[in-house]
Amino acid sequence: AQSVTQLGSHVSVSEGALVLLRCNYSSSVPPYLFWYVQYPNQGLQLLLKYTTGATLVKGINGFEAEFKKSETSFHLTKPSAHMSDAAEYFCAVTGNTDKLIFGTGTRLQVFP
Amino acid sequence: GAGVSQSPSNKVTEKGKDVELRCDPISGHTALYWYRQSLGQGLEFLIYFQGNSAPDKSGLPSDRFSAERTGGSVSTLTIQRTQQEDSAVYLCASSPSGGGNGNQPQHFGDGTRLSIL
Repeated sequence: AQSVTQLGSHVSVSEGALVLLRCNYSSSVPPYLFWYVQYPNQGLQLLLKYTTGATLVKGINGFEAEFKKSETSFHLTKPSAHMSDAAEYFCAVTGNTDKLIFGTGTRLQVFP
Repeated sequence: GAGVSQSPSNKVTEKGKDVELRCDPISGHTALYWYRQSLGQGLEFLIYFQGNSAPDKSGLPSDRFSAERTGGSVSTLTIQRTQQEDSAVYLCASSPSGGGNGNQPQHFGDGTRLSIL
């Protein structure tokens, strides 16, 4: 069985500040991990994914995430927030099945 | 190139009516997925197609829900005798291949917002 927990349903940061969105997973098989972003009235856009290999994964729009097996974590970071980063972010896991298991999402607000 | 296309973008219907939602995946993508996004339940998997067959239907919430895919391309999700709890955004995604390799990224459409009066 697989699951994802996203800590913090809302995160607020100032423009230019560090963004940290937390994701912990549970998986009985080696996980594949994904971060998606959703802007209002739109579908989900893939930010980045971890499958195998390098544990620090770089994605689009300056985001990156680090897979830490010992901590069962896959936190999303961005060094400097931009107003356009305001959106909802979803962490998701798959394993030996194809369906995505999503966390409950984190809404990011960016203040000027 | 074209992404995943879903229609209609919005649908309002009366309780008890049947609705059909359409998904046109990215050309050449053999795997197709339906998800539901609602305030109370978050993002939930409904059904997965590999080609025209559906090896995983485990997320369909009741027998009022069905889906088919023809020609390895377009898929329709049908909800019969709609109920108010069916109100949600229905998202479709596709990926180049499935087959138990969960490492394929899924590409999402903008969804159909379904409102049941």
